[in-house]
Amino acid sequence: RKEVEQDPGPFNVPEGATVAFNCTYSNSASQSFFWYRQDCRKEPKLLMSVYSSGNEDGRFTAQLNRASQYISLLIRDSKLSDSATYLCVVIDGGFKTIFGAGTRLFVKA
Amino acid sequence: GAGVSQSPSNKVTEKGKDVELRCDPISGHTALYWYRQSLGQGLEFLIYFQGNSAPDKSGLPSDRFSAERTGGSVSTLTIQRTQQEDSAVYLCASSLVEGQPQHFGDGTRLSIL
Repeated sequence: RKEVEQDPGPFNVPEGATVAFNCTYSNSASQSFFWYRQDCRKEPKLLMSVYSSGNEDGRFTAQLNRASQYISLLIRDSKLSDSATYLCVVIDGGFKTIFGAGTRLFVKA
Repeated sequence: GAGVSQSPSNKVTEKGKDVELRCDPISGHTALYWYRQSLGQGLEFLIYFQGNSAPDKSGLPSDRFSAERTGGSVSTLTIQRTQQEDSAVYLCASSLVEGQPQHFGDGTRLSIL
């Protein structure tokens, strides 16, 4: 089993749609969780941190479920500019950083 | 600096040559990471520095790869006797301390002919 698993997609959604991604992780001792987005041939950029209490940033909501060992990202009112690959990131023991392979999202007009 | 700076942006070299990639992290960031990303693939962790020390070198693909960090700042990743399978984008990231969000440089696109 991979340490961090994501559905590779692609997810094809119309503008205005709500889309959700999940990511599962295997190490129950994992401490920090993040979502990054990566545009084609660009570096990953931090989208948001993920907390057990859940956190929201505009149209984006992230949630952590420690009991089931998954994190989620919800995007509401999708925009064309949301088209990208979304990377789930888990940090174990302070430094070991594991990136998921990414979920590709295409938002179409 | 304002962000993580990597150089060169692109490097094309012949098989068998040595290459040196440079990363200048965000000022004050103690943790520095190197990753590799092949076309269409996810990020592969290579090595991590806390200060000038690398607690975990297990991600380095072979003994042709080495990295160092001096003065708690600039890091260099060296690949000796390059092979075609080394072709990839090499990304550097830094964070204030370990466990905090990492901020990435633009990467070095390495092509081995």
